[in-house]
Amino acid sequence: GDSVTQMEGPVTLSEEAFLTINCTYTATGYPSLFWYVQYPGEGLQLLLKATKADDKGSNKGFEATYRKETTSFHLEKGSVQVSDSAVYFCALSVDSSASKIIFGSGTRLSIRP
Amino acid sequence: DGGITQSPKYLFRKEGQNVTLSCEQNLNHDAMYWYRQDPGQGLRLIYYSQIVNDFQKGDIAEGYSVSREKKESFPLTVTSAQKNPTAFYLCASHRLGGSTDTQYFGPGTRLTVL
Repeated sequence: GDSVTQMEGPVTLSEEAFLTINCTYTATGYPSLFWYVQYPGEGLQLLLKATKADDKGSNKGFEATYRKETTSFHLEKGSVQVSDSAVYFCALSVDSSASKIIFGSGTRLSIRP
Repeated sequence: DGGITQSPKYLFRKEGQNVTLSCEQNLNHDAMYWYRQDPGQGLRLIYYSQIVNDFQKGDIAEGYSVSREKKESFPLTVTSAQKNPTAFYLCASHRLGGSTDTQYFGPGTRLTVL
């Protein structure tokens, strides 16, 4: 079945370090791919998305490229800040309207000042 | 402002009691969802509804019930049949049709069984 696998956390980095959180997926057809962020005690917020191969989603300095050949959607940021500390979820939707979304298990990111 | 509200933020329940979690949205979205989140795990779908007076079971519906009497509201009842109800519960809504979209989430309710 359809699934999302993302790197286990926690990930701890120093401020201004480069961030990569790996995400790979298994899906039939051509899924849409998402990254969500969850700050402590809050719900999920959409961070970025990509709907077709080679699309690059970007927001708040984060970016991810939809790689069909490697079935990956890795999240990157060139210089992290303490305020980026949160849990990050990779997710996919196999229907065009995103009515069913499959989530990865989440990666907790902590940034040291 | 448009959005999704969930109440209460924290909820405590004694074993054997039913409890209802509220979810309201003013985004005019057709579909609404309930997810459960446990520590270190992703979100698991409990129930969803795409139209008023209709809803479907998700992956972990046992021990839960829902209703959809109004488009704006999708309350979740955690019954005494749910063996391990302590978790963080997230409600989401979604606009059906059109181009690819995403689900929008409420702030969540943390339920603790004492």
